Amino acid sequence: QKEVEQNSGPLSVPEGAIASLNCTYSDRGSQSFFWYRQYSGKSPELIMFIYSNGDKEDGRFTAQLNKASQYVSLLIRDSQPSDSATYLCAVNNAGNMLTFGGGTRLMVKP
Amino acid sequence: DAGVIQSPRHEVTEMGQEVTLRCKPISGHDYLFWYRQTMMRGLELLIYFNNNVPIDDSGMPEDRFSAKMPNASFSTLKIQPSEPRDSAVYFCASSYRLEAFFGQGTRLTVV
Repeated sequence: QKEVEQNSGPLSVPEGAIASLNCTYSDRGSQSFFWYRQYSGKSPELIMFIYSNGDKEDGRFTAQLNKASQYVSLLIRDSQPSDSATYLCAVNNAGNMLTFGGGTRLMVKP
Repeated sequence: DAGVIQSPRHEVTEMGQEVTLRCKPISGHDYLFWYRQTMMRGLELLIYFNNNVPIDDSGMPEDRFSAKMPNASFSTLKIQPSEPRDSAVYFCASSYRLEAFFGQGTRLTVV
């Protein structure tokens, strides 16, 4: 079974710190990796995606991919209370189908 | 574009009743997905379509669930008969390439 694993948290960081969210996946054939943010009671919102090994930066967000270790991470610099949400890692296995992890709840304390 | 539109936003129904959820994908998107989200099981893919054709329905929990996509701008997810354990938030999402965009969801409560 193709799985995507995340620590459920909560991960608590102080305002201004770097938040590091991690995700592992089981299918070595996975090609594309996505991070979604979901506020309580809202729908998942795409933050960024990564296809190649290494880092990809977008504003305060950096996605990191290591296919050899089957590991994806999301770093949030200068964390703000408004970043408090659940972060979902998603992996593309076949076709356009995404498999989601259970999500990590992030809490940024003022 | 208005994004993915789902209706209704909330639905409360009695056990045994038929429930129909509706979705209008983003124009030009050729993939449509139905997900269910619960605290216990997280976000689960139920079924997805490509160019209106169902591709994978292995996530549909039982024969009580069915989904259709009669054209590129409309899809339905039907539960008949509904049961309390079907209570969840149901999301529709659409994509053109790999990035999927979600609707606001339908919160279903079966009592």
